[in-house]
Amino acid sequence: DAKTTQPPSMDCAEGRAANLPCNHSTISGNEYVYWYRQIHSQGPQYIIHGLKNNETNEMASLIITEDRKSSTLILPHATLRDTAVYYCIVRSSNDYKLSFGAGTTVTVRA
Amino acid sequence: ETGVTQTPRHLVMGMTNKKSLKCEQHLGHNAMYWYKQSAKKPLELMFVYSLEERVENNSVPSRFSPECPNSSHLFLHLHTLQPEDSALYLCASSADRARHTEAFFGQGTRLTVV
Repeated sequence: DAKTTQPPSMDCAEGRAANLPCNHSTISGNEYVYWYRQIHSQGPQYIIHGLKNNETNEMASLIITEDRKSSTLILPHATLRDTAVYYCIVRSSNDYKLSFGAGTTVTVRA
Repeated sequence: ETGVTQTPRHLVMGMTNKKSLKCEQHLGHNAMYWYKQSAKKPLELMFVYSLEERVENNSVPSRFSPECPNSSHLFLHLHTLQPEDSALYLCASSADRARHTEAFFGQGTRLTVV
């Protein structure tokens, strides 16, 4: 059962911010939102996670709506090396599993 | 470099061969995982080890046999595989199984069964 919905693909321009949406309308109170990305033929890479507050690190920002039913991953200045499949995952604090869906294929163009 | 190293990076094997995939982490993590990624499919969790004990086997055929001799090493022994087993096999580790810490993935082994 899919806990998240993401667009299958999106393009963005190099140097511009990339805003990646994710819907998780059935999220429960103890579930976190995680983002990973996978560059072609490499292992997935952890980006960021959050519960209800917005989060920022050196890679990205995560904006979670007040009702927690959706979130947006923001890559502030996309580069060509950010081209990858981005996965939005909902995970309980008691559940070690990462259930990867199809993700969003992001292509950064020069 | 994530701290999780997989070898070999590429492997071609016949259906009657026996081979092993190796994963190594020196992050001090207590949980290690094997995932399979077939072409155009999401990642599938195969096995989970916590403190060197297998805690989950997601209905994986017996031709895949994992081994965790210590908390830093994880192996996946392969024998009599089928062409449909060709995939990217990924190893991951995390601090422990229960907490919501980020998992670190290796670069994967690209396996082709001929």
